[in-house]
Amino acid sequence: QQPVQSPQAVILREGEDAVINCSSSKALYSVHWYRQKHGEAPVFLMILLKGGEQMRHEKISASFNEKKQQSSLYLTASQLSYSGTYFCGTVIVGSQGNLIFGKGTKLSVKP
Amino acid sequence: EPEVTQTPSHQVTQMGQEVILRCVPISNHLYFYWYRQILGQKVEFLVSFYNNEISEKSEIFDDQFSVERPDGSNFTLKIRSTKLEDSAMYFCASKEWGQGNQPQHFGDGTRLSIL
Repeated sequence: QQPVQSPQAVILREGEDAVINCSSSKALYSVHWYRQKHGEAPVFLMILLKGGEQMRHEKISASFNEKKQQSSLYLTASQLSYSGTYFCGTVIVGSQGNLIFGKGTKLSVKP
Repeated sequence: EPEVTQTPSHQVTQMGQEVILRCVPISNHLYFYWYRQILGQKVEFLVSFYNNEISEKSEIFDDQFSVERPDGSNFTLKIRSTKLEDSAMYFCASKEWGQGNQPQHFGDGTRLSIL
């Protein structure tokens, strides 16, 4: 039931781009993206709703392909502050809105 | 900016003891959640709470767990008889509306260590 995230880990140089994918076998109402730094709480980045709209948070954007039940997070011109673990949380159609999280993608941005 | 607050930040308890984790959600929020995160693993849903009752719970949330909103501001998670495997970070989250189109705001968590 949990969404599958890929890749598990990414190492980037500052300024490089990355894509993180999240896919589900269930029909989704929405996909939520969070970033968590070590020892801290997950911080909300954005929500993707059905309809395939793209959202943006600073230089991070995301899309949601409703047909494929897949969301992708695009990190453009990465900064050192982007380092952390990115989790997608999915809200399944018919649920009460609770988030089912993927295992996370650990992103390390090096200078 | 309003935030979700959790206390204590760290709780150390002997196995078999009861523990209560406390959360103060954002004041105008109506939906409340508990999640847990075992060290190095993903965030796992435990329970959701709305209108003074549980609206959904996961398989993890067995009879040892209970939630309560005792006074209209606090939201508590009680573990009756703690086990070693209950050691984890416990996050409280709240959101304003229902459905899945509202962000959930997380507290800083309570690190629970069972000895």
